[in-house]
Amino acid sequence: AQSVSQHNHHVILSEAASLELGCNYSYGGTVNLFWYVQYPGQHLQLLLKYFSGDPLVKGIKGFEAEFIKSKFSFNLRKPSVQWSDTAEYFCAVSSSNTGKLIFGQGTTLQVKP
Amino acid sequence: GAGVSQSPRYKVAKRGQDVALRCDPISGHVSLFWYQQALGQGPEFLTYFQNEAQLDKSGLPSDRFFAERPEGSVSTLKIQRTQQEDSAVYLCASSFDRGGYNTEAFFGQGTRLTVV
Repeated sequence: AQSVSQHNHHVILSEAASLELGCNYSYGGTVNLFWYVQYPGQHLQLLLKYFSGDPLVKGIKGFEAEFIKSKFSFNLRKPSVQWSDTAEYFCAVSSSNTGKLIFGQGTTLQVKP
Repeated sequence: GAGVSQSPRYKVAKRGQDVALRCDPISGHVSLFWYQQALGQGPEFLTYFQNEAQLDKSGLPSDRFFAERPEGSVSTLKIQRTQQEDSAVYLCASSFDRGGYNTEAFFGQGTRLTVV
């Protein structure tokens, strides 16, 4: 069965620090990869997605992620975080023809001003 | 509408009660998904509709859970004889594409169900 693993459950950073959140998935076939963000009190929003092509994808708010097929990884990065990036971040994969998403358990990011 | 709308936002049910959760997807979106999110966990897939057809219900945890989308727009998730383990946030998502495979899923704010 497919699964997604996010290594960091709770990350605390100071503003301007660099961010990298790990995500690994288990599935041998073709996958689509996503990072979603949930700000406090808000709904899940798409940060970025990878379907094919350039394995380095750029999303909103300065986030990027790199798909490394050999490592089954899709890590999220941001060079310099802001207080407003405080949120919960979810990695997800989709491999079926329905778009069903398999989510990791999430990483809570707290950015201190 | 502007986004996916779910109601109610919060629901407290006594154990054994039946509940109904509503989802209004974005107008014109073909695909509709329900997810269950337990505290401290990521969302877990429950069921999928393509228009009015329920094509995948493999994630429904028991026969107490039932979902419908009779006219291919609004969907209702019904939980019969609620149990404490049903306490969670129930998320609805919709996407434009017929298969949903290559398009973004838009999520509602969820319904937080607490069974006491």
